[in-house]
Order: sequence, then C-alpha cells, then structure tokens
Amino acid sequence: DIQMTQSPSSVSASVGDRVTITCRASQGISSWLAWYQQKPGKAPKLLIYDASSLQSAVPSRFSGSGSGTDFTLTISSLQPEDFATYYCQQASSFPLTFGGGTKVEIK
Amino acid sequence: EVQLVESGGGLVQPGGSLRLSCAASGFSFSSYSMNWVRQAPGKGLEWLSYISTSSSTMYYADSVKGRFTISRDNAKSSLYLQMNSLRDEDTAVYYCARDQRTSSSGDFDYWGLGTLVTVSS
Repeated sequence: DIQMTQSPSSVSASVGDRVTITCRASQGISSWLAWYQQKPGKAPKLLIYDASSLQSAVPSRFSGSGSGTDFTLTISSLQPEDFATYYCQQASSFPLTFGGGTKVEIK
Repeated sequence: EVQLVESGGGLVQPGGSLRLSCAASGFSFSSYSMNWVRQAPGKGLEWLSYISTSSSTMYYADSVKGRFTISRDNAKSSLYLQMNSLRDEDTAVYYCARDQRTSSSGDFDYWGLGTLVTVSS
C-alpha cells in the first residue's frame, strides 16, 4: 500500500499569509494526487486534482505542484474561510490512501 | 444539482450488521464509479471501498475486507455498503463519494453529508 505523509500536522497563520503544506508518497504516484479541504462537521471538498489542476469554482489562491513522490499545496494569501483541515490523497492505485491531514489554524 | 444522501447509520452492538445506502441524484449515476470513505471521531479520512459503473470491479481496504460489501443499483441510482461483524473501531461517519471522471479517476468531486455509525455495547 502507498503511504501518504503530510507535514506539518498543524500550522498557525494569519489572514494574508502564504501557507504551504507538503505531502510525500511512499512510492512514485506520477501526478495522481488530490487535495481536499474539510471544515468541522462538513464533508471534504475537492480543491486540486492531478496534482496541479484546480477544481471548478475553487479560488485561484489555491495551487498544487509536484510529481512522483513530493507534492505541495499552497494558499497564496490566506482568507478567513480557509481555516480548515487539508488532506492529500493518492489516486494512483488501490487501496486509495489519504494523508493524515494538516489543520490550518488562526494565529 | 448533484446530490448524494446517505442513510442507514445508527447504533449497533459489536458483531452486528448494518446496511448503509446512498441515494444519488442530479447526474447519470450509472456513468460514474462510486466509493465509500469514513472518518472516525476526531480522526482523518479513510477510503473503504470502490465499485465500478457496472459493478464488475470492486476494491476494499484491508481493514474491512471480508466484512463489508459494496454494491449498487443503477436503476435506483443507489449505492450500498453492507457491514457485517462490526467492531468498536468501525465507529465513524461514513461518506459516499463520486469519482470525479467517468473514466474512474480515483479522486472524488462530490460527497454526501455522511451518516454516523456507532458500534457500542
């Protein structure tokens, strides 16, 4: 199985900050990576697919990069509605696996 | 509007069974592969199972293999998860989720609101 490791597990940031979250796969997954945002009590929301493709209606301040084993989600200018938990997920092979999550908190 | 609505959750004793349903609307259900994903209280996301459009292919996480069975009824636009031999660690919110692309992408663009399953004596 492919293990997905996210870092950091939590980050404190202020509105307007640039935030970067990393995700590492235990083996190469090409660009088969997705990023999700989840707010408390809500279902996850797809932000990025194929490592760098922005899902429809997702603000352009979100971007993804990487391929192979190392990936990054960047929020260029953090907005109040962006405080949430973010998960990466490999879509390369079954069983599909998620990273442990990164909680973005208000500083 | 795409909608996925789970039902069937509740309190069940260890060793018991439960059948979850997911009613889909707003899209051509038979054209998309579907999945179940769960989230234990305060924990992260765990993918559980996948089913192809025609039910010809199914995959399971090791944690539920042999205990859970995924199925679908395209005529009813419905997805199911039969859960047997339930354990305390199966306590979670269970989500159904649609593959983003009809070519089976492995990432999920629509999710239901979830249904809570509590396994406890």
